[in-house]
Amino acid sequence: QQQVKQSPQSLIVQKGGISIINCAYENTAFDYFPWYQQFPGKGPALLIAIRPDVSEKKEGRFTISFNKSAKQFSLHIMDSQPGDSATYFCAARETGANNLFFGTGTRLTVIP
Amino acid sequence: KAGVTQTPRYLIKTRGQQVTLSCSPISGHRSVSWYQQTPGQGLQFLFEYFSETQRNKGNFPGRFSGRQFSNSRSEMNVSTLELGDSALYLCASSLDGANSPLHFGNGTRLTVT
Repeated sequence: QQQVKQSPQSLIVQKGGISIINCAYENTAFDYFPWYQQFPGKGPALLIAIRPDVSEKKEGRFTISFNKSAKQFSLHIMDSQPGDSATYFCAARETGANNLFFGTGTRLTVIP
Repeated sequence: KAGVTQTPRYLIKTRGQQVTLSCSPISGHRSVSWYQQTPGQGLQFLFEYFSETQRNKGNFPGRFSGRQFSNSRSEMNVSTLELGDSALYLCASSLDGANSPLHFGNGTRLTVT
């Protein structure tokens, strides 16, 4: 059973546009929600993370929006660039644990 | 600071053999976790080690095992390899476990023929 559901599976965005990736969960014991970016041949790299006590976190062009009541969170990439083309994974971690439950990934393609 | 280092980058093994993968965490990190990444199952947690002790384990058969040394370096071993074990094996380290972010290495690509 997939503990974190991610959509869409793939996304094509024009350069300069906004990329939006959504994730949902059911486990209320999750208290840490990171996003990872993975390029071909590389491991996932931590992009940005949020805890449920805040509704939004912004780092540069990347923003996480978090809706605790709906158990949903999303990644927004503003002014998307071709260099952002990669696979993005959302994840979640239970309180007191160190293992991450990952979404199935979104392959983002930014067209010049 | 050097990142998480995994060796080797690529491995080709035959069904029934065993394999050992190595991981050096970021300096100062005491927790090391292992994940399996496949196109079908995505990223799945194998196990976590902290201070040489396995602290958490995912839902994988006993053929998958690991250990951590006193310098925090870790190895994982897969015995009696099956075709389905072909995957990218990722090691991640964190400072102290539950309260710190996970940083991944670039993985070892294992192909079982």
